[in-house]
Amino acid sequence: GNSVTQMEGPVTLSEEAFLTINCTYTATGYPSLFWYVQYPGEGLQLLLKATKADDKGSNKGFEATYRKETTSFHLEKGSVQVSDSAVYFCALSKGQGAQKLVFGQGTRLTINP
Amino acid sequence: GAVVSQHPSWVICKSGTSVKIECRSLDFQATTMFWYRQFPKQSLMLMATSNEGSKATYEQGVEKDKFLINHASLTLSTLTVTSAHPEDSSFYICSASSVSRETQYFGPGTRLLVL
Repeated sequence: GNSVTQMEGPVTLSEEAFLTINCTYTATGYPSLFWYVQYPGEGLQLLLKATKADDKGSNKGFEATYRKETTSFHLEKGSVQVSDSAVYFCALSKGQGAQKLVFGQGTRLTINP
Repeated sequence: GAVVSQHPSWVICKSGTSVKIECRSLDFQATTMFWYRQFPKQSLMLMATSNEGSKATYEQGVEKDKFLINHASLTLSTLTVTSAHPEDSSFYICSASSVSRETQYFGPGTRLLVL
């Protein structure tokens, strides 16, 4: 079946540090890949996505590249801010919108000033 | 992005009672809504998928007689936890989407505590 594995947290960094959160997946065919962010007290928000191999999703300084050869979709940001503190979820689906999402376990990120 | 609301945001109830949670898409017509459950420090687990006007499709291991889902309109879905017990205490999250949307849009969640 389809599954998503994220690096375990929590992750604590200092402001302006480089961030990587690893995500690998197992799926048949060619899934779409997503990163969602959950800020404290809020619902999940789509951060970025990629729908085919070698696509790079980017938003708010975050990037992730769909690597089919390594079945990975690692999230990166060159210089994190305190406001990036949140829980980050990697997810996959077999399509857009109304398709089921399979989530990783989430990684809690804390950025200290 | 689209806005999805949930009501109530939190609820405390006695064991054996039923609780209804509403999920509304405020600015678009959601042909599909999803219900998730999130345990502390864990990921979201899909409970069921509901399409407007159809019966919900439940994931394996989810009791459909305990978690009643109704999706009567394109902007409203409800989840009723029947005869709630303490082990039903959790964070319930809905999302809404349609075929033309790039992703699901999530509500802020409802925290349920069963005493």
